[in-house]
This record gives sequence, C-alpha cells and structure tokens, in this order.
Amino acid sequence: NAGVTQTPKFQVLKTGQSMTLQCAQDMNHNSMYWYRQDPGMGLRLIYYSASEGTTDKGEVPNGYNVSRLNKREFSLRLESAAPSQTSVYFCASSEGWEREQFFGPGTRLTVL
Amino acid sequence: GEDVEQSLFLSVREGDSSVINCTYTDSSSTYLYWYKQEPGAGLQLLTYIFSNMDMKQDQRLTVLLNKKDKHLSLRIADTQTGDSAIYFCAEMRGTGRRALTFGSGTRLQVQP
Repeated sequence: NAGVTQTPKFQVLKTGQSMTLQCAQDMNHNSMYWYRQDPGMGLRLIYYSASEGTTDKGEVPNGYNVSRLNKREFSLRLESAAPSQTSVYFCASSEGWEREQFFGPGTRLTVL
Repeated sequence: GEDVEQSLFLSVREGDSSVINCTYTDSSSTYLYWYKQEPGAGLQLLTYIFSNMDMKQDQRLTVLLNKKDKHLSLRIADTQTGDSAIYFCAEMRGTGRRALTFGSGTRLQVQP
C-alpha cells in the first residue's frame, strides 16, 4: 500500500497561473481533506470531502476549488495563483470523520 | 488553528522526559490527537484520546486530558534524538465541521 500520494512534490508558479494538485489514496477511505501549512501555523483546512460525491468548504477555501473524482482521488485547483497561496499543501484521508487521518508527503508550492 | 494553542519550542536532554502542552476551547471536542512531523515530511499520528478518558499510555507516550481546563499534554519518556520534530495537537469537534483543528505546533529539540 502506498497510502496517500501527492503530485507534484514541488511547484513554482507565476502570479495568475493555474494548476491542479493531485491526491490519491489506496486505503478505500471515505473521507479526504486538503490542508495548507504556513510557517509558524498549524494546518488549516481548505476543503474536505466526507464521502464520494460530496465536498465542503473548510476554514480557508477562498481561491481554491476541489474535485472528488472518485473514491480514490481528490484534487485541489488554483485557478489564478497568488503569492499568498505560497505554502505547503497536504492531502489526508480517513475511514470516516471520527477516524485517524493519514497524511501525504505534501506539495511545496511557491507563487512568484 | 487559533482555537488550539501550543507553546512554540521545547528543548530537553536525551534521556529526560518531555512534556508538550496544548489548550483547546471547544468543550464539544470528541477526540484529541497528537501528530508528529519530521522535517520535510507529512504528519504522522502518534496517539489520540477520546474525550471521556483522562489518561492514555502507549509505550513511551502518556497523554493526559483535563477536560475541565481544556488542557491536553503529551509526555515522552526517555526522550531520544529521533524524537526531535514538531508535535501538533488537534481536536475533532463534536458539532459543526467534521474535520480537525490543529494547533500551531511545538518544536521539540533533543540535545545529546
């Protein structure tokens, strides 16, 4: 089992460019999450998907969109990147909302 | 993560015990978690405690929960250099959004 995988590992964008961060899990988990981590701060929830076919906003959803493509995959899209979106992005999954979350290795994104 | 607070830094000597503290504000929290993050890596669940418990022990780790004061602590016995990392506490609230709220993390430095 690979667990939670994320691509790419690193990305540099110019302001205004768009990109999609990919996340996949092979644990047959129902719930998936996207977080961002900024220096000196804990992880903040961007969006989550409690189950296949549903998505909900988290604490900091502005500037992002998500797609729960199927049970395995949950992507995060930046339509028009801004320097404030420079961060490390983590995807996570869990069997259900009350269960342990397993994290991917993260994507380090820099927006110039 | 402003509702979950942790001190930023802790330094201990190898072999000593480490105690990392966390306070939270939501009395409806059902589960409280401790995650470990090593440099350049994702988060790894260390342990968790259900809100109706006062204490949980798991090998070198002891979690204490004071629900009245909304205070959570993680004690690491016989701290090793490999324990050097950032430790995050997180709460799962019993109402509202079914997702974790993280503290800003405590960096543990273990001196040989």
